[in-house]
Amino acid sequence: EIVMTQSPATLSVSPGERATLSCRASQSVSSNLAWYQQKPGQAPRLLIYGASTRATGIPARFSGSGSGTEFTLTISSLQSEDFAVYYCQQYNNWPPGLTFGGGTKVEIK
Amino acid sequence: QVQLQESGPGLVKPSETLSLTCTVSGGSVSSGSYYWSWIRQPPGKGLEWIGYIYYSGSTNYNPSLKSRVTISVDTSKNQFSLKLSSVTAADTAVYYCARVMWSPCSGGSCYSLDYWGQGTLVTVSS
Repeated sequence: EIVMTQSPATLSVSPGERATLSCRASQSVSSNLAWYQQKPGQAPRLLIYGASTRATGIPARFSGSGSGTEFTLTISSLQSEDFAVYYCQQYNNWPPGLTFGGGTKVEIK
Repeated sequence: QVQLQESGPGLVKPSETLSLTCTVSGGSVSSGSYYWSWIRQPPGKGLEWIGYIYYSGSTNYNPSLKSRVTISVDTSKNQFSLKLSSVTAADTAVYYCARVMWSPCSGGSCYSLDYWGQGTLVTVSS
């Protein structure tokens, strides 16, 4: 079973600053990595898939990078609406299935 | 615009079976381009994938839940459903249905969840 570990658990950032979130896989997942944003009381929203492709309608300030076991989500200039919890997710080819990381909460500093 | 909507009882007794349905609009569960998935989130905790189904009825389940989970699809109603048996308080969670999108990427295909329902809270309690 592939384990996804996100760090830090909480990230305190001031509006306008850059935020860098990390996701590590216990073994290589190639580029089979997605990022989601979840706000309180809402369903998660897909931000990034294939490690670096922005989903439809996602602002350019969100970018994803990495491959293999190390991945990064960068928010270049935090807006008020970006304070939320972010999850990474990978897909196993075998046994087939999806696994989420534990999440990183981005809070206002 | 694809929309998904979960429905079902909000309260289930311990040892009974949790049953939820996801109704899809603006798209078809019969589309061969997608899988259809269930995910849950205990209060204050992270996301857990439960399983997914293809329009043909082919399924894959989380190994930790496999013995208790059944996901089915009804193409005539454009719905798919979840049954989780022998529930305990640990199964209390917000349950989401979602569409699984695949996209080409290095090493094969990448899978992500591009449309989600709003979620429904299911509490297991007597």
